[in-house]
Amino acid sequence: AQSVTQLGSHVSVSEGALVLLRCNYSSSVPPYLFWYVQYPNQGLQLLLKYTTGATLVKGINGFEAEFKKSETSFHLTKPSAHMSDAAEYFCAVFDLGNQGGKLIFGQGTELSVKP
Amino acid sequence: DTGVSQNPRHKITKRGQNVTFRCDPISEHNRLYWYRQTLGQGPEFLTYFQNEAQLEKSRLLSDRFSAERPKGSFSTLEIQRTEQGDSAMYLCASSLSGVNYEQYFGPGTRLTVT
Repeated sequence: AQSVTQLGSHVSVSEGALVLLRCNYSSSVPPYLFWYVQYPNQGLQLLLKYTTGATLVKGINGFEAEFKKSETSFHLTKPSAHMSDAAEYFCAVFDLGNQGGKLIFGQGTELSVKP
Repeated sequence: DTGVSQNPRHKITKRGQNVTFRCDPISEHNRLYWYRQTLGQGPEFLTYFQNEAQLEKSRLLSDRFSAERPKGSFSTLEIQRTEQGDSAMYLCASSLSGVNYEQYFGPGTRLTVT
């Protein structure tokens, strides 16, 4: 079965500092991986995805993530944090299953940005 | 706005009452998903439809829960005899089959059972 583990339920950075949110996955097949962001009382917005091809993927709002098969990781980074980045971030793997699949989410990481 | 919409956004109900939520997917999307999210957790899969066919149901979906997508467009999720443990955010998502598996989420319906 596929699964996702997000290391650190809460990450705090200063404005302008590097953002690093960690995600490790478990999958018996080549994974499709996603990062979503959720602002308070809202649904999830897709930040970026990895399906095949280039292992460094760029997303919206200056975020990027690198797929590392040897480390089973898909960490999310942003060079310089902005106050508006404060939100909950979820890593997910697509589980194809028997009938076409669903997303399996990690527990989430809450990002705080200090001025 | 052509995104996924959900109604109502908030629902407060008393234990034992029935509730129904509606989801309108992006119009050309043939797949529709329901997830449940409790406080401090990631979303958990409940069920999904391809067109009007319900193809998969999670073990989380007890017999008090039922979902329909009668014409392959909007979907409803009904919870009968609500319990306090049903309090959660119910999220709907839609996608096109075979297109990178991207799912687009609605704003959710927050259910509070008192």
